[in-house]
Amino acid sequence: AQTVTQSQPEMSVQEAETVTLSCTYDTSESDYYLFWYKQPPSRQMILVIRQEAYKQQNATENRFSVNFQKAAKSFSLKISDSQLGDAAMYFCAYRGYNNNDMRFGAGTRLTVKP
Amino acid sequence: NAGVTQTPKFRILKIGQSMTLQCTQDMNHNYMYWYRQDPGMGLKLIYYSVGAGITDKGEVPNGYNVSRSTTEDFPLRLELAAPSQTSVYFCASTLGQAKNTEAFFGQGTRLTVV
Repeated sequence: AQTVTQSQPEMSVQEAETVTLSCTYDTSESDYYLFWYKQPPSRQMILVIRQEAYKQQNATENRFSVNFQKAAKSFSLKISDSQLGDAAMYFCAYRGYNNNDMRFGAGTRLTVKP
Repeated sequence: NAGVTQTPKFRILKIGQSMTLQCTQDMNHNYMYWYRQDPGMGLKLIYYSVGAGITDKGEVPNGYNVSRSTTEDFPLRLELAAPSQTSVYFCASTLGQAKNTEAFFGQGTRLTVV
């Protein structure tokens, strides 16, 4: 079964600085998608960014970008120019052949210091 | 634009009691999911549905039941509540089954069994 590992339970960053959240995964599949979801204190999960395994180009959404290393099975999220509103739990997720089961990591709690 | 709506937001149950967590979506999504989120763990899939009248088990279905009589509603039933079911429950929906499909989440139900 696929597993997703987030090895950083907590991270902190100074406002306007850059932070990178780590995610690794284990799979034998070649065709899959990876996601980063943000869960603010309101608990509402929000999609931040997604990456297709077949695309070599790293996905970017405004201040959010990923470093996707398929061979290393690594999918890190970089947040540039961090803002107070970025403070949240961030979950890395995997969806592969069994599309009905999205696998989530344990999450990283990001604190942004003013 | 309501999206996915869950009720209640909080609930305390006594051991052995039963309850139904409600979930409704107004996006005409065929696919709906129930997850539970335990502290320090990622979301785990309890049950899912690919359309009205069709449901199937996820990773952790024991102690739960679901039904899907309409496209909009996907209630989760807890029978004989146990302390191990203390968790935050999330309902989600997706438009289709494609791997890249974004999941839309409700705000969660925090359930405590005492």
